[in-house]
Amino acid sequence: KQEVTQIPAALSVPEGENLVLNCSFTDSAIYNLQWFRQDPGKGLTSLLLIQSSQREQTSGRLNASLDKSSGRSTLYIAASQPGDSATYLCAVVITGGGNKLTFGTGTQLKVEL
Amino acid sequence: DAMVIQNPRYQVTQFGKPVTLSCSQTLNHNVMYWYQQKSSQAPKLLFHYYDKDFNNEADTPDNFQSRRPNTSFCFLDIRSPGLGDAAMYLCATSSRRTGNQPQHFGDGTRLSIL
Repeated sequence: KQEVTQIPAALSVPEGENLVLNCSFTDSAIYNLQWFRQDPGKGLTSLLLIQSSQREQTSGRLNASLDKSSGRSTLYIAASQPGDSATYLCAVVITGGGNKLTFGTGTQLKVEL
Repeated sequence: DAMVIQNPRYQVTQFGKPVTLSCSQTLNHNVMYWYQQKSSQAPKLLFHYYDKDFNNEADTPDNFQSRRPNTSFCFLDIRSPGLGDAAMYLCATSSRRTGNQPQHFGDGTRLSIL
Protein backbone atom coordinates (compact mmCIF):
# COMPACT_ATOMS: atom_id res chain seq x y z
CA LYS A 1 0.00 0.00 0.00
CA GLN A 2 1.36 3.39 -1.03
CA GLU A 3 2.21 5.71 1.85
CA VAL A 4 3.12 9.37 1.40
CA THR A 5 5.01 11.29 4.08
CA GLN A 6 5.77 14.99 4.29
CA ILE A 7 8.42 16.47 6.53
CA PRO A 8 8.36 18.84 8.31
CA ALA A 9 4.73 19.03 9.39
CA ALA A 10 5.10 22.75 10.01
CA LEU A 11 7.64 25.36 9.01
CA SER A 12 8.04 29.06 9.81
CA VAL A 13 10.46 31.25 7.86
CA PRO A 14 11.14 34.97 7.49
CA GLU A 15 10.07 36.67 4.29
CA GLY A 16 12.56 36.43 1.46
CA GLU A 17 14.04 33.07 2.38
CA ASN A 18 14.34 30.22 -0.10
CA LEU A 19 12.89 27.01 1.28
CA VAL A 20 12.43 23.34 0.48
CA LEU A 21 9.50 21.11 1.34
CA ASN A 22 9.95 17.36 1.28
CA CYS A 23 7.71 14.51 0.18
CA SER A 24 8.52 10.79 0.22
CA PHE A 25 6.54 7.81 -1.01
CA THR A 26 7.02 4.10 -0.39
CA ASP A 27 6.09 2.62 -3.79
CA SER A 28 8.16 3.93 -6.69
CA ALA A 29 5.68 2.63 -9.29
CA ILE A 30 4.00 5.99 -9.66
CA TYR A 31 2.41 7.57 -12.72
CA ASN A 32 2.83 11.14 -11.58
CA LEU A 33 3.20 13.36 -8.54
CA GLN A 34 1.28 16.57 -7.85
CA TRP A 35 1.91 19.40 -5.45
CA PHE A 36 -1.10 21.29 -4.11
CA ARG A 37 -1.63 24.36 -1.99
CA GLN A 38 -4.46 24.55 0.55
CA ASP A 39 -5.41 27.80 2.25
CA PRO A 40 -7.26 27.59 5.59
CA GLY A 41 -10.85 26.41 5.12
CA LYS A 42 -10.43 26.14 1.35
CA GLY A 43 -10.04 23.48 -1.30
CA LEU A 44 -6.87 22.46 -3.11
CA THR A 45 -5.10 24.44 -5.79
CA SER A 46 -2.85 22.45 -8.10
CA LEU A 47 0.65 23.94 -8.28
CA LEU A 48 2.73 21.50 -10.29
CA LEU A 49 2.33 18.06 -11.82
CA ILE A 50 5.41 15.95 -12.60
CA GLN A 51 5.06 12.91 -14.82
CA SER A 52 7.06 9.84 -13.80
CA SER A 53 9.36 10.32 -16.79
CA GLN A 54 10.23 13.89 -15.76
CA ARG A 55 12.78 15.10 -13.26
CA GLU A 56 11.38 18.53 -12.51
CA GLN A 57 8.76 21.15 -13.25
CA THR A 58 8.90 24.91 -12.76
CA SER A 59 6.22 27.56 -12.38
CA GLY A 60 7.29 31.06 -11.41
CA ARG A 61 9.04 30.91 -8.03
CA LEU A 62 8.19 27.22 -7.60
CA ASN A 63 10.32 24.30 -8.68
CA ALA A 64 9.38 20.69 -8.01
CA SER A 65 11.79 17.79 -8.48
CA LEU A 66 11.14 14.08 -8.61
CA ASP A 67 13.50 11.19 -7.90
CA LYS A 68 11.30 8.19 -8.50
CA SER A 69 13.91 5.55 -7.69
CA SER A 70 14.49 6.93 -4.21
CA GLY A 71 10.81 7.76 -3.66
CA ARG A 72 11.33 11.47 -3.09
CA SER A 73 10.10 14.82 -4.31
CA THR A 74 10.95 18.32 -3.22
CA LEU A 75 9.15 21.62 -3.68
CA TYR A 76 11.49 24.59 -3.78
CA ILE A 77 10.01 28.04 -3.13
CA ALA A 78 12.26 30.96 -3.98
CA ALA A 79 12.11 34.33 -2.26
CA SER A 80 9.20 33.42 -0.01
CA GLN A 81 6.41 35.93 0.62
CA PRO A 82 3.71 36.16 3.32
CA GLY A 83 1.17 35.25 0.63
CA ASP A 84 2.87 31.85 0.32
CA SER A 85 1.60 30.95 3.79
CA ALA A 86 -0.58 27.86 3.38
CA THR A 87 -0.49 24.09 3.72
CA TYR A 88 1.34 22.32 0.90
CA LEU A 89 0.30 18.78 0.04
CA CYS A 90 1.91 16.30 -2.27
CA ALA A 91 0.00 13.44 -3.84
CA VAL A 92 0.94 10.52 -6.08
CA VAL A 93 -0.95 8.51 -8.67
CA ILE A 94 0.18 4.89 -8.73
CA THR A 95 0.66 2.98 -11.96
CA GLY A 96 -2.48 1.09 -12.90
CA GLY A 97 -4.50 2.88 -10.24
CA GLY A 98 -6.64 4.96 -12.53
CA ASN A 99 -6.24 8.59 -11.56
CA LYS A 100 -6.56 8.09 -7.80
CA LEU A 101 -4.50 10.43 -5.66
CA THR A 102 -2.80 9.28 -2.47
CA PHE A 103 -2.00 12.34 -0.37
CA GLY A 104 0.54 13.20 2.28
CA THR A 105 -0.64 15.03 5.40
CA GLY A 106 0.99 18.27 4.28
CA THR A 107 3.47 20.86 5.47
CA GLN A 108 1.96 23.96 7.06
CA LEU A 109 4.10 26.92 5.98
CA LYS A 110 4.11 30.34 7.61
CA VAL A 111 6.12 33.15 6.05
CA GLU A 112 6.58 36.01 8.50
CA LEU A 113 7.20 39.68 7.79
CA ASP B 1 -13.95 31.96 -12.75
CA ALA B 2 -14.80 29.07 -10.50
CA MET B 3 -14.78 25.81 -12.46
CA VAL B 4 -15.66 23.36 -9.69
CA ILE B 5 -18.32 24.76 -7.41
CA GLN B 6 -19.39 23.22 -4.15
CA ASN B 7 -22.51 24.20 -2.24
CA PRO B 8 -22.96 25.02 0.49
CA ARG B 9 -19.56 26.11 1.80
CA TYR B 10 -20.65 25.30 5.35
CA GLN B 11 -23.27 22.77 6.35
CA VAL B 12 -24.54 22.00 9.83
CA THR B 13 -26.73 18.99 10.44
CA GLN B 14 -27.98 17.01 13.38
CA PHE B 15 -26.73 13.60 14.40
CA GLY B 16 -28.56 11.04 12.27
CA LYS B 17 -30.28 13.56 9.98
CA PRO B 18 -29.59 12.92 6.27
CA VAL B 19 -27.61 15.56 4.45
CA THR B 20 -26.69 16.18 0.80
CA LEU B 21 -23.67 18.05 -0.47
CA SER B 22 -23.55 19.39 -4.01
CA CYS B 23 -20.81 19.76 -6.61
CA SER B 24 -21.06 21.22 -10.10
CA GLN B 25 -18.46 21.76 -12.80
CA THR B 26 -18.14 23.87 -15.92
CA LEU B 27 -15.16 21.95 -17.31
CA ASN B 28 -17.21 19.21 -18.98
CA HIS B 29 -14.91 16.62 -17.39
CA ASN B 30 -15.76 12.95 -17.49
CA VAL B 31 -14.52 12.10 -14.02
CA MET B 32 -15.76 13.48 -10.70
CA TYR B 33 -14.32 12.57 -7.30
CA TRP B 34 -15.39 12.99 -3.67
CA TYR B 35 -12.77 13.22 -0.93
CA GLN B 36 -13.15 13.43 2.83
CA GLN B 37 -10.58 15.48 4.75
CA LYS B 38 -10.64 15.45 8.54
CA SER B 39 -8.82 18.07 10.54
CA SER B 40 -5.03 17.98 10.01
CA GLN B 41 -5.33 14.82 7.91
CA ALA B 42 -4.75 14.01 4.26
CA PRO B 43 -7.74 13.99 1.91
CA LYS B 44 -9.11 10.47 1.50
CA LEU B 45 -10.91 9.33 -1.64
CA LEU B 46 -14.46 8.10 -0.99
CA PHE B 47 -15.56 7.30 -4.57
CA HIS B 48 -15.50 8.57 -8.11
CA TYR B 49 -17.64 8.59 -11.21
CA TYR B 50 -16.31 7.95 -14.68
CA ASP B 51 -19.21 9.25 -16.73
CA LYS B 52 -22.08 7.31 -15.14
CA ASP B 53 -19.87 4.47 -13.95
CA PHE B 54 -19.73 4.61 -10.11
CA ASN B 55 -16.55 3.41 -8.36
CA ASN B 56 -16.60 3.00 -4.60
CA GLU B 57 -13.43 2.73 -2.51
CA ALA B 58 -13.29 -0.48 -0.50
CA ASP B 59 -13.23 1.26 2.88
CA THR B 60 -15.90 3.88 2.22
CA PRO B 61 -18.69 3.42 4.80
CA ASP B 62 -22.12 2.33 3.53
CA ASN B 63 -23.49 5.49 5.08
CA PHE B 64 -22.04 7.45 2.14
CA GLN B 65 -23.77 7.41 -1.22
CA SER B 66 -23.38 9.43 -4.40
CA ARG B 67 -25.46 10.42 -7.40
CA ARG B 68 -24.47 11.89 -10.73
CA PRO B 69 -27.59 12.87 -12.67
CA ASN B 70 -25.63 14.49 -15.52
CA THR B 71 -22.08 15.46 -16.52
CA SER B 72 -22.16 18.75 -14.62
CA PHE B 73 -23.50 17.69 -11.22
CA CYS B 74 -22.53 15.21 -8.55
CA PHE B 75 -24.05 14.81 -5.08
CA LEU B 76 -22.76 13.27 -1.87
CA ASP B 77 -25.49 11.87 0.38
CA ILE B 78 -24.78 10.95 3.99
CA ARG B 79 -27.72 8.89 5.16
CA SER B 80 -27.23 9.00 8.93
CA PRO B 81 -24.35 11.32 9.86
CA GLY B 82 -22.39 10.48 12.95
CA LEU B 83 -20.03 12.73 14.89
CA GLY B 84 -17.10 11.08 13.14
CA ASP B 85 -18.35 12.31 9.77
CA ALA B 86 -17.59 15.94 10.61
CA ALA B 87 -15.00 16.94 8.03
CA MET B 88 -14.25 18.97 4.92
CA TYR B 89 -15.67 17.29 1.82
CA LEU B 90 -13.83 18.04 -1.38
CA CYS B 91 -15.09 17.52 -4.93
CA ALA B 92 -12.65 17.25 -7.82
CA THR B 93 -12.79 16.60 -11.55
CA SER B 94 -10.45 15.38 -14.26
CA SER B 95 -10.90 15.06 -17.98
CA ARG B 96 -9.98 11.39 -18.07
CA ARG B 97 -9.27 8.60 -15.65
CA THR B 98 -5.70 8.14 -16.88
CA GLY B 99 -2.95 9.21 -14.51
CA ASN B 100 -1.58 12.04 -16.62
CA GLN B 101 -4.57 14.30 -16.05
CA PRO B 102 -4.49 16.80 -13.16
CA GLN B 103 -7.43 16.97 -10.80
CA HIS B 104 -9.22 20.28 -10.28
CA PHE B 105 -10.72 20.87 -6.85
CA GLY B 106 -13.59 22.94 -5.52
CA ASP B 107 -13.39 24.99 -2.34
CA GLY B 108 -15.00 22.24 -0.30
CA THR B 109 -17.97 21.97 2.05
CA ARG B 110 -17.22 21.93 5.76
CA LEU B 111 -19.72 19.67 7.50
CA SER B 112 -20.47 20.00 11.20
CA ILE B 113 -22.59 17.53 13.17
CA LEU B 114 -24.54 18.67 16.23
